[in-house]
Amino acid sequence: QVQLQESGSGLVMPSQSLSLSCAVSGGPISSDTHAWSWVRQPPGKGLEWIGYMYHSGTAYYSPSLKSRASISIDKSKSQFSLTLTSVTAADTAIYHCARLTIFGGWYFDSWGQGTRVAVSS
Amino acid sequence: SFVLTQPPSVSVAPGKTARITCAGNNIGSKSAHWYQKKPGQAPLLVIYYDSERPSGIPERFSGSNSGNTAALTISGVEAGDEADYFCQVWDTGSDHPVFGEGTKLTVL
Repeated sequence: QVQLQESGSGLVMPSQSLSLSCAVSGGPISSDTHAWSWVRQPPGKGLEWIGYMYHSGTAYYSPSLKSRASISIDKSKSQFSLTLTSVTAADTAIYHCARLTIFGGWYFDSWGQGTRVAVSS
Repeated sequence: SFVLTQPPSVSVAPGKTARITCAGNNIGSKSAHWYQKKPGQAPLLVIYYDSERPSGIPERFSGSNSGNTAALTISGVEAGDEADYFCQVWDTGSDHPVFGEGTKLTVL
């Protein structure tokens, strides 16, 4: 059973960059039937999709974050990462990494517990 | 882009049946998925492909999807079912996932 674990900066200054990593274990990151994604939940709000990446390196991003978000994958370490630039208080949220089952219905079948990120000076 | 609408809250007594809806334009033509989210925990997939249950999810959880409404039904509700529930579909037009706003299930 695949497991995902987030790590990274918990406090980020406004206008700086947020960097998070997600370690994947219990399953191959080089999977042709899955993609790797980031989803966040701001305080008191719902789930917001940020982006996803295939193991080939092709990535797709939410239109609202496309100019600031970047996902990368390191197969040798079995992990993938998120960088979000020029952060503001609106980027304060719990950030989850998730595995996306592709083909057919496209759904998130495994999630990390999440890491809390606060943007504050 | 595609919009999904959920009621903000649903309340139910223990042992009764809770039904959480997810409305979207012709959502019945898409596959709907449901997630349970408790504070401090990872979201948990409870229903996929409209009505399929992942391994380990109790039979009390069921799903349906037709016309403009998908629904998650929880029968014999237990205190441990209290959580936020989110529906999700894939927007093929923009090639990305769409989440509903979430429904807070309260067990009275």
